[in-house]
Amino acid sequence: SYVLTQPPSVSVAPGKTARITCGGNNIGSKSVHWYQQKPGQAPVLVIYYDSDRPSGIPERFSGSNSGNTATLTISRVEAGDEADYYCQVWDSSSDHGVFGGGTKLTVL
Amino acid sequence: EVQLVQSGAEVKKPGESLKISCKGSGYSFTSYWIGWVRQMPGKGLEWMGIIYPGDSDTRYSPSFQGQVTISADKSISTAYLQWSSLKASDTAMYYCARNVRGRPSQFDYWGQGTLVTVSS
Repeated sequence: SYVLTQPPSVSVAPGKTARITCGGNNIGSKSVHWYQQKPGQAPVLVIYYDSDRPSGIPERFSGSNSGNTATLTISRVEAGDEADYYCQVWDSSSDHGVFGGGTKLTVL
Repeated sequence: EVQLVQSGAEVKKPGESLKISCKGSGYSFTSYWIGWVRQMPGKGLEWMGIIYPGDSDTRYSPSFQGQVTISADKSISTAYLQWSSLKASDTAMYYCARNVRGRPSQFDYWGQGTLVTVSS
């Protein structure tokens, strides 16, 4: 089964740039989606198809995907960005979805 | 407005059966895959399975195949997740989520979650 690996935690100061990685074997050949989950809330899609943003998601959120690593980048980080972030792909070889283990973003 | 409204919290004993629901509204229920996601206490999201209500085509994660059953009743725009014999390890929050139009990929709308507690 396909495995997605995320760092458990990332810390960043307000106003700086946070980068959250999602590793997987040749993940660049797959479409990667990212979700934000705040405590006690359902997840929210923040990036889809590697780098597209749903309406209502700030331009500060961006994504990239190449080789064995996909990256969610949050520019000019705000206190309100503190949350857990999950990457997700569809594994077409086994016909099911997969989430990464999640990364807790802490705003210092 | 797209909405997914899930059934309320459940407290069950080990060995009991359970069926939780997810009612979709504000869109064509039969035209979008609906998935289920587990989140155990303090843990991450786990992709469980997905169903296309139009024809009941269903896919499961290997981790959940045989452990749960996903179904849908398109006449009432409702998807279900059921267990025949619950275990304590099934204690978790369960979310339903709508897949974007087309083939299974990402979830664009989520339900509020159903908390299932299994304890003797």
